[in-house]
Parts: sequence; structure tokens; C-alpha cells
Amino acid sequence: DQQVKQNSPSLSVQEGRISILNCDYTNSMFDYFLWYKKYPAEGPTFLISISSIKDKNEDGRFTVFLNKSAKHLSLHIVPSQPGDSAVYFCAARGGSNYKLTFGKGTLLTVNP
Amino acid sequence: DVKVTQSSRYLVKRTGEKVFLECVQDMDHENMFWYRQDPGLGLRLIYFSYDVKMKEKGDIPEGYSVSREKKERFSLILESASTNQTSMYLCASSLPLGPTEAFFGQGTRLTVV
Repeated sequence: DQQVKQNSPSLSVQEGRISILNCDYTNSMFDYFLWYKKYPAEGPTFLISISSIKDKNEDGRFTVFLNKSAKHLSLHIVPSQPGDSAVYFCAARGGSNYKLTFGKGTLLTVNP
Repeated sequence: DVKVTQSSRYLVKRTGEKVFLECVQDMDHENMFWYRQDPGLGLRLIYFSYDVKMKEKGDIPEGYSVSREKKERFSLILESASTNQTSMYLCASSLPLGPTEAFFGQGTRLTVV
């Protein structure tokens, strides 16, 4: 049973435009959500997070939105740059469970 | 600068060999994790440890074991390597609870032939 779902395996965007990556979850115990970025042959690096008590968190070009009623979160990248091309993973944790549950990832390609 | 270090970037092992993957973190984190990443499957949790000598199975523990004798070191053991264990292995560490991220190592690309 997949508790964190990223339904789009890939996304292609033009440089300078907005990239929107989506993530859905099923476990209502999740209370902290994270986005990681991963380049080939490297480990994931933390990008941005949001607690369930918020609906938005912003860090430079990256904004994460959380809709708890819909169990949906999204990552917005504005403006997109070619260096943003990578696999993006959505992750969640919650309650007394300290492990992170990951989605399958979305490959973002930003074209110059 | 926080650091999680995995002992090898690339490994090639033969079927049936016992394989050790080592991970060391310098952040004094209580939690440590082993994930594997496969195309189309994302990151799947193999085992995690929340304290020295403590461990719990993740989602795909079959064919693996772990060892945590010291807080900073977490080892993944493939008891008898098989070709379906060819994968990217990722170690991570984190603080115990609360809104905190996990930090990952650079990954070990293991090929079993």
C-alpha cells in the first residue's frame, strides 16, 4: 500500500517558467512533509519542508503548499532553471513513527 | 557541515558473497536508515535503527541484516548477495522526532554479477 504517491513520473518545463510537482498521501497520521532533490549517482539532498500546522512554506524560488483536507501537497519552483533538472522525491513522517516514507519520485527536466 | 559518509561509491560483488555496506555520520543522530533506490520504485526502507544495538525492519528487509554497535556507524549486510539486490543503496540519519529532515550519504551503487 503506497502511502505517499507521486503520480507524474516526469515533467518537462521551459527555463524561466513555473514547475509544479505534486504529491498525495493517504496516512492521516503524517504531520511533517519534505521534498528532496536527487541527481544521478548522488544521495538525495533536502530541499524544503512543511509542518501540518501550516499551509505554505517558502524558501527563495521554492514554495511548498499543503492542503490537509485533500491530503495533497505541491512544490512550486519559480523561475525554473536548467540546474533544477533532477528527480524530486516527496516524503512524509508522523506521530511516533520517525521513519520517512517516500514517493516514487518525479523527474523534472528544465529545458534552456 | 553535516556529513553522512558511505564507505564505497561503487561495488561489484559475485552472487552468493556476503556484502557489507558501511555508513558513518558525524551529527550525533540517534536515528539511522538504509534505503534502496530502484527506477520506478522510489526509495524503499530496508532497515532502521533508533539507538545503538536497536533495529527495526523496514518495508523490504528480506535478504538483509544490519548492525549498529556504535552510535555513529550503521552497517547493512547482504547475507548472500543475489542479482536482484543490484541497486543504489542510501544511508541516512536524523534526530529522533519532531520536524526534522534526514541527511543522506552519497550512495553506494552495488552490482551483483
